[in-house]
Amino acid sequence: EAGVAQSPRYKIIEKRQSVAFWCNPISGHATLYWYQQILGQGPKLLIQFQNNGVVDDSQLPKDRFSAERLKGVDSTLKIQPAKLEDSAVYLCASSSPLVDTQYFGPGTRLTVL
Amino acid sequence: AQKITQTQPGMFVQEKEAVTLDCTYDTSDPSYGLFWYKQPSSGEMIFLIYQGSYDQQNATEGRYSLNFQKARKSANLVISASQLGDSAMYFCAMRGGSAGNMLTFGGGTRLMVKP
Repeated sequence: EAGVAQSPRYKIIEKRQSVAFWCNPISGHATLYWYQQILGQGPKLLIQFQNNGVVDDSQLPKDRFSAERLKGVDSTLKIQPAKLEDSAVYLCASSSPLVDTQYFGPGTRLTVL
Repeated sequence: AQKITQTQPGMFVQEKEAVTLDCTYDTSDPSYGLFWYKQPSSGEMIFLIYQGSYDQQNATEGRYSLNFQKARKSANLVISASQLGDSAMYFCAMRGGSAGNMLTFGGGTRLMVKP
């Protein structure tokens, strides 16, 4: 069974530029999560989707971050415009109702200069 | 609000010895789940073990076991027979009723296995 796929693995941009990350969850997993992990900290949830609907986006900085999961499968997370403090690893995870465990992708390491 | 605390920023263990990584949690929900993940330098979060709040027995998965003490609100990870490949960051996380399915993570413990 293929795991959670993410791309790109690394991205370097300058502040005020835009960036987008892509995630494809494990096949059949209805729930998809985006986490932000700042260096030296544990991951923090940004947004949770159930199929193509948003379940929780209370910690998403909506003035600059947006996310979508239009067809209920893959998802994109966008930052526009980026700030220095957005430098982090962005992790995507998915889970199914039958198995409560969240499985993570390899992450995208973003550096904002 | 839920909170996870990992008090050991870093630990050393000799290869082939056992090691315990501490995790305490705080929640008012009667139903919750506790998870441990391993994060090697490559960055991927690898699921290790799960314990449900109503599970009567401590969870085990190969060399990993979870020492669940509900009254003390602790969920320590025990790794037996440490291997060099166990060197990584380890995160304790909790999923609780009031937070839906989202995971709340601790700050992590860096484990270094010495040959």
